[in-house]
Amino acid sequence: ETGVTQSPTHLIKTRGQQVTLRCSSQSGHNTVSWYQQALGQGPQFIFQYYREEENGRGNFPPRFSGLQFPNYSSELNVNALELDDSALYLCASSLEVQGNTEAFFGQGTRLTVV
Amino acid sequence: AQSVAQPEDQVNVAEGNPLTVKCTYSVSGNPYLFWYVQYPNRGLQFLLKYITGDNLVKGSYGFEAEFNKSQTSFHLKKPSALVSDSALYFCAVRDMGYGQNFVFGPGTRLSVLP
Repeated sequence: ETGVTQSPTHLIKTRGQQVTLRCSSQSGHNTVSWYQQALGQGPQFIFQYYREEENGRGNFPPRFSGLQFPNYSSELNVNALELDDSALYLCASSLEVQGNTEAFFGQGTRLTVV
Repeated sequence: AQSVAQPEDQVNVAEGNPLTVKCTYSVSGNPYLFWYVQYPNRGLQFLLKYITGDNLVKGSYGFEAEFNKSQTSFHLKKPSALVSDSALYFCAVRDMGYGQNFVFGPGTRLSVLP
């Protein structure tokens, strides 16, 4: 196991609702990234937080937002849910923002929007 | 922009035979390349990475990968496949821009047949 934990593991929401997903990063890691993995596809980068500041963002609309807390845990918030938001959401933590380091992923949150 | 291709959706191999999962990439500058594996209902597990140096990289669970700059490839290999290696494999490259996020390929499903 990686030490990165995500909650909840599964949830079902109705179109138009809002959702908050949570991630506890590996001890000592100050960088958290979120990825969306649609069925049958590779993970797509949503955004990254480094020391509580957004440090990069992928091609996702503003209704996808996030937070990082002083203990480096993180939240992903999605407003006005759409059917296409149904996916596995993965959190990854790493030590510093360094391209030569691997990231450690949580088990993911499976979101279903109906 | 960085991109990763995995030309095979599915690879089937008999247990005990060597396996290869193919990956090609397109980056500006020197690539930082990674392989991750995903088991059902799990997050991504790091296997190995190429940053610099020897073109043959050894990783977890007996896997290795060969970096070929002229062919822009980073194929994953294992000399003797196990049934337990059956999983979804993702090749990724670091986007060295702001945030240095991973850019993943679409994934290759490996099935090792007993």
